[in-house]
Amino acid sequence: DTAVSQTPKYLVTQMGNDKSIKCEQNLGHDTMYWYKQDSKKFLKIMFSYNNKELIINETVPNRFSPKSPDKAHLNLHINSLELGDSAVYFCASSQRRQQETQYFGPGTRLLVL
Amino acid sequence: SQQGEEDPQALSIQEGENATMNCSYKTSINNLQWYRQNSGRGLVHLILIRSNEREKHSGRLRVTLDTSKKSSSLLITASRAADTASYFCATERPSFQKLVFGTGTRLLVSP
Repeated sequence: DTAVSQTPKYLVTQMGNDKSIKCEQNLGHDTMYWYKQDSKKFLKIMFSYNNKELIINETVPNRFSPKSPDKAHLNLHINSLELGDSAVYFCASSQRRQQETQYFGPGTRLLVL
Repeated sequence: SQQGEEDPQALSIQEGENATMNCSYKTSINNLQWYRQNSGRGLVHLILIRSNEREKHSGRLRVTLDTSKKSSSLLITASRAADTASYFCATERPSFQKLVFGTGTRLLVSP
């Protein structure tokens, strides 16, 4: 069984469109994260939720809006997509918010044309 | 700002050789973690070493941490072609509930 799953795996879309990426974890973890990995493989945290509460919101354009309907799910909605949004987006989870191993999903490869 | 810098950026070795990757960081930390990323995949956790620990082992992996030098190393012994991947260090600072990832080392192990 997949511990952290993301859908879709690939997303190709036009500039200006709105898209969503879904993430689910079946590990019973309290904390979930969204990361962005750019073309140089640099991985940077975007958001973190603990028990459905937003605890980290890095300097991310407000076109990006996370939503956590329950602690097993953390979705990412992106409005008005731009070319620079092209990247791989990873969801991750951990048991608690600190001093913990993080478990990553397989990633969603977003290409904005 | 970016916390960890890895060295070397890329490493190419033969199967059976040892691979050593280094990570330097800038501030005090709670712990340092190493992750592996195979091409086109998500990251997989390898080892977590806490700030009061100096060395940790897991199978063929050995991690050291020197908080006075703000550096860590990951040693993979008797490498295999399957070890080919990118390796990232990540640090967690006190009072910061997030990991900051380094730039990564791309390891290529040739049969």
